[in-house]
Amino acid sequence: EDQVTQSPEALRLQEGESSSLNCSYTVSGLRGLFWYRQDPGKGPEFLFTLYSAGEEKEKERLKATLTKKESFLHITAPKPEDSATYLCAVQANTGNQFYFGTGTSLTVIP
Amino acid sequence: GAVVSQHPSWVICKSGTSVKIECRSLDFQATTMFWYRQFPKQSLMLMATSNEGSKATYEQGVEKDKFLINHASLTLSTLTVTSAHPEDSSFYICSAALALETQYFGPGTRLLVL
Repeated sequence: EDQVTQSPEALRLQEGESSSLNCSYTVSGLRGLFWYRQDPGKGPEFLFTLYSAGEEKEKERLKATLTKKESFLHITAPKPEDSATYLCAVQANTGNQFYFGTGTSLTVIP
Repeated sequence: GAVVSQHPSWVICKSGTSVKIECRSLDFQATTMFWYRQFPKQSLMLMATSNEGSKATYEQGVEKDKFLINHASLTLSTLTVTSAHPEDSSFYICSAALALETQYFGPGTRLLVL
């Protein structure tokens, strides 16, 4: 069964304190792994797509990496405006459907 | 690029009425659109997948007669909540995708049924 697990559920960081969010997945053939950011009361905002193990993508203070079993979203020197819920989703190569994790709620304290 | 809009952004209605939510891809043609529901502090729950010009595919447990989906063009999909009841109150989010590519999400519609 295709499954996505994110950890931790919640993370509080001091401003400037780097950390990583984890997304573990099991899928019968990975087409893509996606990271989104969601602010309260808004739709998810697309961040990255990763397609194969070893792939890395960066955007400002965020860097996403992918292995055959998990993905990490590294946050370097976070700022309060990085506070949000970060969602991970995987798409199997057997269909269109995305399988979402439950998200990591990140709070960055000034 | 890849902007998806939803209308309305919020709606309050009386129990028993029907509510229509529109989802538009503004700068690309979406072959597939998805409708999700999200409860407070929970992740997205896929309700249905729709391809332009064909019937929507509903997830298990989602009543197709209650949640009517129409995907008449490559840029517009609508979700109609028929005979809404308080338990239908939720945050409804659509997404649009080109072929098998990344899903881009709308800003969501908050529905409150009194």
